[in-house]
Amino acid sequence: NAGVTQTPKFQVLKTGQSMTLQCAQDMNHNSMYWYRQDPGMGLRLIYYSASEGTTDKGEVPNGYNVSRLNKREFSLRLESAAPSQTSVYFCASSVRGKETEAFFGQGTRLTVV
Amino acid sequence: LAKTTQPISMDSYEGQEVNITCSHNNIATNDYITWYQQFPSQGPRFIIQGYKTKVTNEVASLFIPADRKSSTLSLPRVSLSDTAVYYCLVGDYNDYKLSFGAGTTVTVRA
Repeated sequence: NAGVTQTPKFQVLKTGQSMTLQCAQDMNHNSMYWYRQDPGMGLRLIYYSASEGTTDKGEVPNGYNVSRLNKREFSLRLESAAPSQTSVYFCASSVRGKETEAFFGQGTRLTVV
Repeated sequence: LAKTTQPISMDSYEGQEVNITCSHNNIATNDYITWYQQFPSQGPRFIIQGYKTKVTNEVASLFIPADRKSSTLSLPRVSLSDTAVYYCLVGDYNDYKLSFGAGTTVTVRA
C-alpha cells in the first residue's frame, strides 16, 4: 500500500520555466491537498480539492494552478516559476474534512534559480 | 474556522513527560481536535484525535476539558526521536482547509 506518492522528489528550475508536480493516492480518499513549507515555517495550504471535480484556493494560491484529474490524482502546476516559489511541496489526502486523518506524501523539494 | 494557539517551542529531556497545550476558544460543536507530528524532511503524520475527555493510544494521550476551549497533548517518557514539530488542528467534516500553523517545536535533549 503506497499511500500518497509524489513525483518528482527533487527539481531545479530556472526562473520562468514551468512544471507540474504530480500526486497520486491509492486509499480511495475524496479530499486532496497541496501545501508548501518554507524553512522554519509551518505548512501553508495552496489549493485543496474537497472531492473529485472540485478545487478551491487555500492560503497562498497565487502563481499556482491545480487539476483534480480523477479521484486518485491531484496535480500542481507552476506556469512561470519564480525564486519565491523555492520550497518543499507536500501533497496530502483524507477521506473528508478535518475530522478525518490526513496522509502526506514525502514531499518535493523545488529550487528555482 | 476555529483558530488555534500553541507555544512556539518547548525543551525537554529524555524520559520526561511533555505536555503541549493548544487553545481553541471558538471551537464549534462539531469540531474535532487533531494533532500531527512532523520530523525534518518528512510530511506531517497523524498522532491522535479526540472530541472530548481523554483519548489514549500507543503514542500519546489527548486531554480535553469539558468546555473544549483547549486541549493538551501528552507525550510520555520522551526520547531523542520525539524531537519534532507538533501541530494542533481543529475542524469538522465540512472544514477542508486543513491549515497548519507554525506548530510547537519540541526538542528532547539527552
